[in-house]
Amino acid sequence: DVKVTQSSRYLVKRTGEKVFLECVQDMDHENMFWYRQDPGLGLRLIYFSYDVKMKEKGDIPEGYSVSREKKERFSLILESASTNQTSMYLCASSTLVGTQETQYFGPGTRLLVL
Amino acid sequence: AQSVTQPDIHITVSEGASLELRCNYSYGATPYLFWYVQSPGQGLQLLLKYFSGDTLVQGIKGFEAEFKRSQSSFNLRKPSVHWSDAAEYFCAVGARGNKLVFGAGTILRVKS
Repeated sequence: DVKVTQSSRYLVKRTGEKVFLECVQDMDHENMFWYRQDPGLGLRLIYFSYDVKMKEKGDIPEGYSVSREKKERFSLILESASTNQTSMYLCASSTLVGTQETQYFGPGTRLLVL
Repeated sequence: AQSVTQPDIHITVSEGASLELRCNYSYGATPYLFWYVQSPGQGLQLLLKYFSGDTLVQGIKGFEAEFKRSQSSFNLRKPSVHWSDAAEYFCAVGARGNKLVFGAGTILRVKS
């Protein structure tokens, strides 16, 4: 069965802290994605990766960075957390096989920045 | 640029009643279309997808959706709603590079 896991379900951090959100998939998927979800705005793409050590900016990359050292793991980094980064963060993965494949989502991490 | 509009932020239906959630998209080429559902506190689960072929697509949990190119729509339907269907529903269109563009979501409430 398809599985995407995220390291934390809930996280509370202070303004200015460096925050790491981890995502692991066990499906040998090439593509991995980080979204943030806010009420009334749906999901917005932060960063994505097609391969190890490869990353592309999404629609809202400011204030974030990512790391993909291994195929199964994609990390989202908040270099200096701010209150406007309080949100739900969702990781997803998909395969490159075919022209458009389904994205599989993790359970999400709800981040509160105080 | 690709975009998805879900005109209804909230919808309330009675248990056993039929349901239709609206989705309109903007995309220059043949779209790949998806409906996802998110239960409270959970990630997104795929309900159904349209890539090509038959414009009426069947999904899980008794849902179906119809692709209408002339109306740029991909509305989600269910003939009889159950209390467990209460959730948030997202329509998405597949953009270049395997990316998805999501609508803002529709929150479904089911009253008994």
